[in-house]
Amino acid sequence: GQNIDQPTEMTATEGAIVQINCTYQTSGFNGLFWYQQHAGEAPTFLSYNVLDGLEEKGRFSSFLSRSKGYSYLLLKELQMKDSASYLCAVMDSNYQLIWGAGTKLIIKP
Amino acid sequence: ETGVTQTPRHLVMGMTNKKSLKCEQHLGHNAMYWYKQSAKKPLELMFVYSLEERVENNSVPSRFSPECPNSSHLFLHLHTLQPEDSALYLCASSLTLDAMNTEAFFGQGTRLTVV
Repeated sequence: GQNIDQPTEMTATEGAIVQINCTYQTSGFNGLFWYQQHAGEAPTFLSYNVLDGLEEKGRFSSFLSRSKGYSYLLLKELQMKDSASYLCAVMDSNYQLIWGAGTKLIIKP
Repeated sequence: ETGVTQTPRHLVMGMTNKKSLKCEQHLGHNAMYWYKQSAKKPLELMFVYSLEERVENNSVPSRFSPECPNSSHLFLHLHTLQPEDSALYLCASSLTLDAMNTEAFFGQGTRLTVV
């Protein structure tokens, strides 16, 4: 079966760095997405990786290793507004998105 | 604001009621989706429409009935629901199906409670 694993919850301190991991087993691979979802709001697109390596976008970076079935989202200089759930999703060979259950990130002052 | 609007934001309904959820996008997208989001579970894809044609129905009970009258609007008709159907229902759209790097734009969802 297809499976996406990510931690249920993480806590970090304002100003620090946090890494949210995602491992996957899917039927084929057409890219990996990260979305951010604040409580009561719509998920919004953060990043897309299809090739191995690190993609940097401001304070957020996303890394992919296809051979290991592994990705992480790195958040630097954490701000209170970064408190949200972070969803990992993989597009399989049928262009279907397979979703993880999300990681709830709690930022403390 | 993602460009995808859902109404209502909150809905409480009895098990014998009939109600409808509405989704609207004016992004020029050809694909629209209904997802169910339950606490601590992955997003569950319910229905997919491409150019107003249903292309996916993931074994969803018949008490959920989708309708796509045009490429900008999507409805989810609800009848005789069960308490376990209580969840956040998310609508999404994307430029097209069957393409890599196709970002999905989500609405804010309808928080449904079945009593």
